Amino acid sequence: DQQVKQNSPSLSVQEGRISILNCDYTNSMFDYFLWYKKYPAEGPTFLISISSIKDKNEDGRFTVFLNKSAKHLSLHIVPSQPGDSAVYFCAAVSGYALNFGKGTSLLVTP
Amino acid sequence: DVKVTQSSRYLVKRTGEKVFLECVQDMDHENMFWYRQDPGLGLRLIYFSYDVKMKEKGDIPEGYSVSREKKERFSLILESASTNQTSMYLCASRLRQYYEQYFGPGTRLTVT
Repeated sequence: DQQVKQNSPSLSVQEGRISILNCDYTNSMFDYFLWYKKYPAEGPTFLISISSIKDKNEDGRFTVFLNKSAKHLSLHIVPSQPGDSAVYFCAAVSGYALNFGKGTSLLVTP
Repeated sequence: DVKVTQSSRYLVKRTGEKVFLECVQDMDHENMFWYRQDPGLGLRLIYFSYDVKMKEKGDIPEGYSVSREKKERFSLILESASTNQTSMYLCASRLRQYYEQYFGPGTRLTVT
């Protein structure tokens, strides 16, 4: 049963605009979340994370928001750039491992 | 900079062959992981190792085994490759006290 869900398989955004990628989870015991970015034929690279004691974490153009009551998190990319085009995975810490969503493919068009 | 390397980027094997996928990390990480990535399914955990000679099954261990004889090396073994094991295989590692995992470039395995 998928405990981390990314319900939008794809998203297309114009360069310079905001990209918002969403993630929902079902297990209220999850208390740490990460976002990864993956280009084709490469391994995922860590982007940003957030602990459940926070509701926001920023790193440059990337901001992650966490709404614990809704079991929802989102990744905002502002401004979006063509190089941001990739698949983005949301993951929740589950013991030693990470529980990944299925990913959202972001396309940033010039 | 953390470096995780995988022995092959692309591999083609026949059904029934025994397949070895090797992963090496150079940052003295205690924990290592094997995932497979399939379209529409995301990353699924096959096995992980929290220390040398220690291993734990992940979500989809059937048809796979692992070996960790040295801290830096974690091997994934397909005992008898089948076509449904055609996939992208990703190795990752992390320090015990941190959650972030660092991934290798992946091995695209095709079983014919």
